[in-house]
Amino acid sequence: EVQLVESGGGLVQPGGSLRLSCAASGFTFSSYEMNWVRQAPGKGLEWVSYISSSGSTIYYADSVKGRFTISRDNAKNSLYLQMNSLRAEDTAVYYCARDRPPSGWSDYWGQGTLVTVSS
Amino acid sequence: AIWMTQSPSLLSASTGDRVTISCRMSQGISSYLAWYQQKPGKAPELLIYAASTLQSGVPSRFSGSGSGTDFTLTISCLQSEDFATYYCQQYYSFPRTFGQGTKVEIK
Repeated sequence: EVQLVESGGGLVQPGGSLRLSCAASGFTFSSYEMNWVRQAPGKGLEWVSYISSSGSTIYYADSVKGRFTISRDNAKNSLYLQMNSLRAEDTAVYYCARDRPPSGWSDYWGQGTLVTVSS
Repeated sequence: AIWMTQSPSLLSASTGDRVTISCRMSQGISSYLAWYQQKPGKAPELLIYAASTLQSGVPSRFSGSGSGTDFTLTISCLQSEDFATYYCQQYYSFPRTFGQGTKVEIK
């Protein structure tokens, strides 16, 4: 069974940092591209970042470029999102989502982890 | 970036109704479109990919159509478990974008 479990969310002050993790199981993690998608309270879905299966290709939304860093450790079946210079508008539930090859729709999602940026 | 206009934002319907949700792109994306369902407090779930292909396990009352810039999600006979919010997403290019969402509520 495919499972994606996010962790690392919490309350952080504006300007602070947080590192999210997504533990993957039930599939060959190293063969799949992955994404982070977020959802602010009461709002819609916003794509945040993408990483290829090898980690060699990465994309970011303009809203997080220069502040967030996506990475993965295929040996540990884990995806990460390092979030720096956090702002109030980064408050959201963050989901990791697996891309289905070859074209890239997201077929499995984690349950999400809540990040709250507030003083 | 590709902009998406999803409509309506709110749809009031009754069990048994046929409902349609529209998603329009600012530029052509061939068939690189997915539809997701999200219930309160839950992660989104994939319904349809490649504009019209039903994800395994999704009931056949759901269907998708369209290509290029105009796409539609249809629920042929609304069931109680279908009251939720629906999102379209293009995966033709980065940044990937989602529609604004359509909440299907009980009339």
